[in-house]
Amino acid sequence: DAKTTQPNSMESNEEEPVHLPCNHSTISGTDYIHWYRQLPSQGPEYVIHGLTSNVNNRMASLAIAEDRKSSTLILHRATLRDAAVYYCILRDVAFYSGNTGKLIFGQGTTLQVKP
Amino acid sequence: NAGVTQTPKFQVLKTGQSMTLQCAQDMNHNSMYWYRQDPGMGLRLIYYSASEGTTDKGEVPNGYNVSRLNKREFSLRLESAAPSQTSVYFCASSVRAGANYGYTFGSGTRLTVV
Repeated sequence: DAKTTQPNSMESNEEEPVHLPCNHSTISGTDYIHWYRQLPSQGPEYVIHGLTSNVNNRMASLAIAEDRKSSTLILHRATLRDAAVYYCILRDVAFYSGNTGKLIFGQGTTLQVKP
Repeated sequence: NAGVTQTPKFQVLKTGQSMTLQCAQDMNHNSMYWYRQDPGMGLRLIYYSASEGTTDKGEVPNGYNVSRLNKREFSLRLESAAPSQTSVYFCASSVRAGANYGYTFGSGTRLTVV
């Protein structure tokens, strides 16, 4: 499975935008970039995913570099409820024997939001 | 719409005891997964079931068994619990294996083995 690299921790001020980076230099053509977050004492929560084009949803935006070797999760206005561990994960959705596109979690980025 | 339901939420076991963690999803998903999360760590995949009738090992399968009872339910069994299995266990499901969809996770089972 291709690996991702994220900073261990980041800080943000409330109501300011947050850009969470992720490097994935060994990404393959069939790897989707997934982002999940885990709030304290809860299960992970799906945030967003994409392949090549930038993506937007109600929670966040995902900006993908043209060479796909890096991506950035953008929270447009951080709130205290966004304080969580954010995981950037590559998911190979090419379905073949032995590959079921399972999610493999790394250490993630712990985001602190200051009031 | 309950999503993914895990029972129990908390459990304390003595070393050597056995127990089964239950997981059920009501989203008609084909694939289901069991993860464990140790304090301060990321999630590690224990077992998964790509579809009803199939199960496969993940990163850390030793000491566990699973049963895909039907499309809705995927259970995780500890035959002889050890202190090293103290962890938070999460069940997840997705539309199907290899699909371009996200996972839905349950709220977890906190297991302590003494």
